[in-house]
Amino acid sequence: AQSVTQPDIHITVSEGASLELRCNYSYGATPYLFWYVQSPGQGLQLLLKYFSGDTLVQGIKGFEAEFKRSQSSFNLRKPSVHWSDAAEYFCAVGAPGSARQLTFGSGTQLTV
Amino acid sequence: EADIYQTPRYLVIGTGKKITLECSQTMGHDKMYWYQQDPGMELHLIHYSYGVNSTEKGDLSSESTVSRIRTEHFPLTLESARPSHTSQYLCASSAPRDGSTDTQYFGPGTRLTVL
Repeated sequence: AQSVTQPDIHITVSEGASLELRCNYSYGATPYLFWYVQSPGQGLQLLLKYFSGDTLVQGIKGFEAEFKRSQSSFNLRKPSVHWSDAAEYFCAVGAPGSARQLTFGSGTQLTV
Repeated sequence: EADIYQTPRYLVIGTGKKITLECSQTMGHDKMYWYQQDPGMELHLIHYSYGVNSTEKGDLSSESTVSRIRTEHFPLTLESARPSHTSQYLCASSAPRDGSTDTQYFGPGTRLTVL
């Protein structure tokens, strides 16, 4: 079964600073990888996803993520954070060919 | 992006009441899901459906039940609500009929409080 670890529970950055949120996964093959963002009291919005191909994925709102197979990581980055980016960020992993479920990390709360 | 709707957005009820949380999507997605999320915690899958008349329990045990009579509709029911059911419930759908990849899109959630 797959699993996801987000090592940072809470991160604080200044507006305009760069951001990197860490995500490590465990899965026997190349998984599907996702980053979602959740504002207080809201559902989850998809930021970006990786299925195959180019390991650097561009998403909405200026976010990008890089899949590194050797490190089993899928870290989310943004070069310049805006105050509106303050939210909870969830990394998720899914098994290719099966949308039975996504396994979510415990989330990283971003304060700007 | 999928259009997926949940009602009510907020619900406060007393113990023992029967409640139904509504979830509808307008994108023709075959697969639908219910997640439970406690504040500041990760999401846990409680139910999913591959299509009409198909429902399965997820990884987190739940006293709720679901039905899938129509493709676009996936309601969740609690026959007798208890304070332990207080949580946020998120509905999601995936897999458009054109066969594109399985990305889950989420509704805004229902925050349930049982007194």
